[in-house]
Amino acid sequence: EAGVTQFPSHSVIEKGQTVTLRCDPISGHDNLYWYRRVMGKEIKFLLHFVKESKQDESGMPNNRFLAERTGGTYSTLKVQPAELEDSGVYFCASSQGGQGRQETQYFGPGTRLLVL
Amino acid sequence: AQSVTQPDIHITVSEGASLELRCNYSYGATPYLFWYVQSPGQGLQLLLKYFSGDTLVQGIKGFEAEFKRSQSSFNLRKPSVHWSDAAEYFCAVGPPGFQKLVFGTGTRLLVSP
Repeated sequence: EAGVTQFPSHSVIEKGQTVTLRCDPISGHDNLYWYRRVMGKEIKFLLHFVKESKQDESGMPNNRFLAERTGGTYSTLKVQPAELEDSGVYFCASSQGGQGRQETQYFGPGTRLLVL
Repeated sequence: AQSVTQPDIHITVSEGASLELRCNYSYGATPYLFWYVQSPGQGLQLLLKYFSGDTLVQGIKGFEAEFKRSQSSFNLRKPSVHWSDAAEYFCAVGPPGFQKLVFGTGTRLLVSP
């Protein structure tokens, strides 16, 4: 079974540009999460999808960040326009859904974003 | 507010020596507890988890962790460290119900020959 995959693995952009990160969860996982780690800090929650619906977006920093999960499969996280402080590693995770199911979150390898 | 403290930013251990990484949390009830590891160039890999039941949890790669409710701790241990264990280790807590995880700042483990 394939794990969580993320694309691209690295992205270097200039301030003011737009970047779109993609996450493909483990097949059959209803829950999809985005997290971010800025350098030297802890990994912080951004948002949580259940299927195609946003369950919790309390961690989104501001309205320059837009996450979508069309069809309840893969998700994209767009940053527009990017600022220097958006640099960091963006992790995606997924977990099964439904009562009594495993609640373990499985993480992808992350996308390393550098805004210059 | 929920929080996780990993007091050691860096730890250096000799190969073959024992290891204990500390994790304390602040949470209103008993949360779900996790240890993840990130090796260089890799993503986060789950080492072990505690949901309920036996407070001593076994994980992959020979790691174990003990949940101590009275101390709000979930320390990670390994009896004999291997050079391949050099990585960054993250403790995380989360409420039941498929909700967000709160992470500590991580502990970077260096293994000396």
